Amino acid sequence: QKEVEQNSGPLSVPEGAIASLNCTYSDRGSQSFFWYRQYSGKSPELIMFIYSNGDKEDGRFTAQLNKASQYVSLLIRDSQPSDSATYLCAVNRVQTGANNLFFGTGTRLTVIP
Amino acid sequence: DVKVTQSSRYLVKRTGEKVFLECVQDMDHENMFWYRQDPGLGLRLIYFSYDVKMKEKGDIPEGYSVSREKKERFSLILESASTNQTSMYLCASSVRGEQYFGPGTRLTVT
Repeated sequence: QKEVEQNSGPLSVPEGAIASLNCTYSDRGSQSFFWYRQYSGKSPELIMFIYSNGDKEDGRFTAQLNKASQYVSLLIRDSQPSDSATYLCAVNRVQTGANNLFFGTGTRLTVIP
Repeated sequence: DVKVTQSSRYLVKRTGEKVFLECVQDMDHENMFWYRQDPGLGLRLIYFSYDVKMKEKGDIPEGYSVSREKKERFSLILESASTNQTSMYLCASSVRGEQYFGPGTRLTVT
């Protein structure tokens, strides 16, 4: 089992819809969870992080964490064409220091105008 | 804003050459990382460092070495470049687990 798993997609949603991106992780001891956005040909950009169970909202983005189910998700409300990118889920590595992360392979999102 | 810079955006090298990739961060972060990113394989950790002169192997250290002589600078060295090291190389620095990436270096080894 991979440490972090994401649906590879691609996921297509119409403009204005809600995009839902999902991620599961294997290490029950993980404490920190991150979402990165990566445009084609660019490097990953941190857009959200969450440490506690529940929801965390930042503008049109909401991160949701359920530690009991080992599940973290990212909702994008009122999706825009500029949201079209690959979204990477990352989880802290419990066994090593230096704030190491495991990354998923990403879900490609396309927002159709 | 956190700023992480990498010495080159694109680099073409020949098989057997020694290659240096430089990374500099301006936020006084303790931790720095080198990844490579390949289609279908995602981000894979090569080496990381949690302090000056300290380095730790990541998941795929073979064929690579690193140097951290100053806190702000973390260098990745390909001792003898091979074609299977053609990839996008990403440097990151972190605070509180939040990693911030440089723009990346697309390395092609011919």
